Amino acid sequence: EVQLVESGGGLVQPGGSLRLSCAASGFTFSTYWMTWVRQAPGKGLEWVADIKEDGSAKFYVDSVKGRFTISRDNAKNTLYLQMNSLRAEDTALYYCARNWAWGAFDIWGQGTMVTVSS
Amino acid sequence: QSALTQPPSASGSPGQSVTISCIGTSSDVGTYNYVSWYQHHPGKAPKLMIYEVSKRPSGVPDRFSGSKSGNTASLTVSGLQAEDEADYYCSSYAGSNILYVFGTGTKVTVL
Repeated sequence: EVQLVESGGGLVQPGGSLRLSCAASGFTFSTYWMTWVRQAPGKGLEWVADIKEDGSAKFYVDSVKGRFTISRDNAKNTLYLQMNSLRAEDTALYYCARNWAWGAFDIWGQGTMVTVSS
Repeated sequence: QSALTQPPSASGSPGQSVTISCIGTSSDVGTYNYVSWYQHHPGKAPKLMIYEVSKRPSGVPDRFSGSKSGNTASLTVSGLQAEDEADYYCSSYAGSNILYVFGTGTKVTVL
């Protein structure tokens, strides 16, 4: 079964750090771009970051540049999102998704919640 | 990069059709034929319904169709069914810097 399972969310204080993981199974992980998308409470979906199949190219939404780092371990079939200098506005449900082709996110995980609060 | 503009809500009776617009700019929707549409039921993972403006992934009913004219993309749901009640989001490729942008979302209600 094709599946993505996120983990690593939780409650963190402003300025703190968190690392999200996304375990992939059921498909050849190393042949797809991968994506993080978030949804703040009561808000819409927001694209956060993308990484190329081999990790050689990474892209971010302006609001997280310099604070978040997307990475992947193709040997472990796992996608990561390292989040530093967290702000209240980063509070959201974070989804990982497979970028099938040019932004067609065809497989999604169930999401992991990140809450930034003191 | 601003979010694509969608109407907050749309509705129709069972069997009717509803069309949702997605207004972008010449930097995204107007230039690239990489517009996707997602169905999102609260508490569940979003589901890809349309990609590359008008293509349907395997398993998506042909009641769902997409189109584009200029800077505006549209999703039409024909023959509305109760299970179509959900939030719908468009997204577009937006170039080599920002990559992707989502729409503001539309809540579809089946009356």
